[in-house]
Parts: sequence; structure tokens; C-alpha cells
Amino acid sequence: GAVVSQHPSRVICKSGTSVKIECRSLDFQATTMFWYRQFPKQSLMLMATSNEGSKATYEQGVEKDKFLINHASLTLSTLTVTSAHPEDSSFYICSASMRADQPQHFGDGTRLSIL
Amino acid sequence: GEDVEQSLFLSVREGDSSVINCTYTDSSSTYLYWYKQEPGAGLQLLTYIFSNMDMKQDQRLTVLLNKKDKHLSLRIADTQTGDSAIYFCAESMASGGSYIPTFGRGTSLIVHP
Repeated sequence: GAVVSQHPSRVICKSGTSVKIECRSLDFQATTMFWYRQFPKQSLMLMATSNEGSKATYEQGVEKDKFLINHASLTLSTLTVTSAHPEDSSFYICSASMRADQPQHFGDGTRLSIL
Repeated sequence: GEDVEQSLFLSVREGDSSVINCTYTDSSSTYLYWYKQEPGAGLQLLTYIFSNMDMKQDQRLTVLLNKKDKHLSLRIADTQTGDSAIYFCAESMASGGSYIPTFGRGTSLIVHP
């Protein structure tokens, strides 16, 4: 149980393109999902908390107009990197938990490369 | 200093035990976790321990918690080459109804034959 699926696993695109990443909880409902960014050999940096049916809560320093988050259902959250530039290249990982006091389960991540 | 600290590298021989250590600063931490990340993949929850526990064992994995010293360790018995990965220690406490973990920088475990 507690499987989180993330797609796509890898994206390579030109500068200026908008890229959408999907995060799905396959066998449980998640009122809250989380989006992280990971730089090489670094820890995970929490970008935002995605709440079903309401606006996402962004961490300090994360541009909400740059990283659009939509949590349309209890099993799906999307992160759209708008007008991506090379500095947005990174590994993006989502997570979800069945309950607020339960551990988070992570997707397999999306490697985004902007040329 | 960082909230969660762990050494960056550990090298062991196949068949030996591995011990990965972690220290944290927040005495209010409620849950402490160990995650495993293989190259190019997301994080896999290995195990977690509630702050009122001292030890938890699950097959080859043993987690020890010293709450007084704010020290958490993960012992992997009979380490195999497939255990080579980055291991993240994390801690969380209740905040606005959620338990959002704070991660360490990860310990890269290298298992050689």
C-alpha cells in the first residue's frame, strides 16, 4: 500500500516552455501532498504544501507564479513550472501521506532539464 | 548549524553491518524517519520511530533513538551491494496539524565486495 506515482520521470525541453508534473496517490486518498526540489548531492527542499480544494502553501523564497500547484482531487496534485529556464533544472519530488500524522510516501521524482 | 546532521559517506564491506548516524536539534521532534534513495529515484520510507520509543527492529534494520542526546542511528545487518544508496534521516513534529519532515543531507552508503 501507500504508492505514490509521479509522471513524467524525465523531461528535457527548451527554455521558455511550461512543464507540468503529476503526482498521484494510487491506493489512498491524500488531502495534503508536498512538492520538493532536490539539487545534486543535497537534501530535499520543501517547495510547497498542496491542499485539496484550496490554495497551496508556499515556502519562503518559492515563487508561486513560477511554480503553479493544483490539487484538484484527493488523489492528484500537479506542479507546473511556467516559462522554465535553465536554472529551474532540477529533480522534483512529490510526496503524500494518508493522514497528517503518518509518514510521507514519495514518488520516484521527475528530472527536469531545461536547455 | 543544520537541524538534522549526518555524515556524508560510509563505506562498508559486503556482509558487514552498517551503522548510519544522525543528530537532530529539535527536542520536540515527534517522529524520526529513515528514507533510502537510489540513483535517479524518489525516497523510499525504510522505517520510522516515535519519539517515545528507544529501539525498533524490522528484519535487517535496527533503529536506535537516544532522545537525551538527540541521536538516531540506523543499523543494517549483513549489508548487501543492493543496499548501496543514499540514506536520509528526517525528523518531524506537529505543526498546524501536519508533520512535515526536516531532512538531513543524506549519507551515501557504498558497499563493496
